[in-house]
Amino acid sequence: KAGVTQTPRYLIKTRGQQVTLSCSPISGHRSVSWYQQTPGQGLQFLFEYFSETQRNKGNFPGRFSGRQFSNSRSEMNVSTLELGDSALYLCASSQGANGELFFGEGSRLTVL
Amino acid sequence: GQQLNQSPQSMFIQEGEDVSMNCTSSSIFNTWLWYKQDPGEGPVLLIALYKAGELTSNGRLTAQFGITRKDSFLNISASIPSDVGIYFCAGSFTGNQFYFGTGTSLTVIP
Repeated sequence: KAGVTQTPRYLIKTRGQQVTLSCSPISGHRSVSWYQQTPGQGLQFLFEYFSETQRNKGNFPGRFSGRQFSNSRSEMNVSTLELGDSALYLCASSQGANGELFFGEGSRLTVL
Repeated sequence: GQQLNQSPQSMFIQEGEDVSMNCTSSSIFNTWLWYKQDPGEGPVLLIALYKAGELTSNGRLTAQFGITRKDSFLNISASIPSDVGIYFCAGSFTGNQFYFGTGTSLTVIP
């Protein structure tokens, strides 16, 4: 069974640009969550989607958005990038019933 | 957002020794998860706990869901070099949104 797949693995952007990250969950998993990981703040919850609906949202500005498609794949978008957005963005999928999160390898974003 | 208190922050141990770490929260949780993360990779799920007092093992790893529902513990017995990494706890009340600990960095000296 394939794991959670995130693309791209690495990307470099400049301030003011926008970025879209993609996540393909484990087959059969309908819940997709996104987390931001930085050395200073650790792992912070961004949002969670289930059946194309955002169920929970963390304490991040509106520049961070996401969506989920009918095949459970998810994307997150960050607009007007700031230096502080440099981080490892992790996607996790879950069956939704028991809450166990399975993470992808992450997308490392560097903002210059 | 809320961050769980995880201790110790780092550990340096001899191969073969046992390891203990814990995580505490100001809120009660219904689910506790423990993860290990290697450099440049995503966290890997080690153990999941769903009931207060529950004790669950996965090989040399044993974790417990605290009775107060505000804490959890992870023990690693007879450590080996491949145990090196950062260990995270994660807790959730709803199962949809998890709060993560600050991490315990483990170094095993052969």
